[in-house]
Amino acid sequence: GDSVTQMEGPVTLSEEAFLTINCTYTATGYPSLFWYVQYPGEGLQLLLKATKADDKGSNKGFEATYRKETTSFHLEKGSVQVSDSAVYFCALNSGGYQKVTFGTGTKLQVIP
Amino acid sequence: DAGVIQSPRHEVTEMGQEVTLRCKPISGHNSLFWYRQTMMRGLELLIYFNNNVPIDDSGMPEDRFSAKMPNASFSTLKIQPSEPRDSAVYFCASSPPTDRVNEQYFGPGTRLTVT
Repeated sequence: GDSVTQMEGPVTLSEEAFLTINCTYTATGYPSLFWYVQYPGEGLQLLLKATKADDKGSNKGFEATYRKETTSFHLEKGSVQVSDSAVYFCALNSGGYQKVTFGTGTKLQVIP
Repeated sequence: DAGVIQSPRHEVTEMGQEVTLRCKPISGHNSLFWYRQTMMRGLELLIYFNNNVPIDDSGMPEDRFSAKMPNASFSTLKIQPSEPRDSAVYFCASSPPTDRVNEQYFGPGTRLTVT
């Protein structure tokens, strides 16, 4: 079945540091890939997505590239801010009905 | 636009009591999902509906859990009887009808505490 593996957290960075959160997946067919973000006390919200190989999703300075050859979708940001502190979930959809398989989430803490 | 609405936002109940969580999806969306989030198990999909029909309930943990979607604008998740291990944040999410992959829109969640 489908699965998503993402790096264990928490990740603690200083403000303006470079961020990478690794994500790899296993899926049948050609899944679409997502990063969702959850701020404290809130539900998840879509951060970015990519629907086919070599696509790059980007939003709010974050970006991730769909790498079919390595089955990866790593999240990056060049300069993090304190307001980026949240839990980040990698996810995929390989079938109908919009069902999404989520990773376990990676908590990011950015300190001033 | 109103997002996904969940009620109550917080629920504290005693073991053995019945608990009903409510969700109003975004108007026009035809897929609805119920999730449970805990520190130990992370985010778990419990059940999802398409056009008000349950498609997959394999994530429902026990017979104590049941979910209904009587119409396109309302769904409930019921736990009867509740147990302390049911304590978690329960999220409802919805998606619009589309032949392309689309995102899920999450509600703010219901924090359930069973004592």
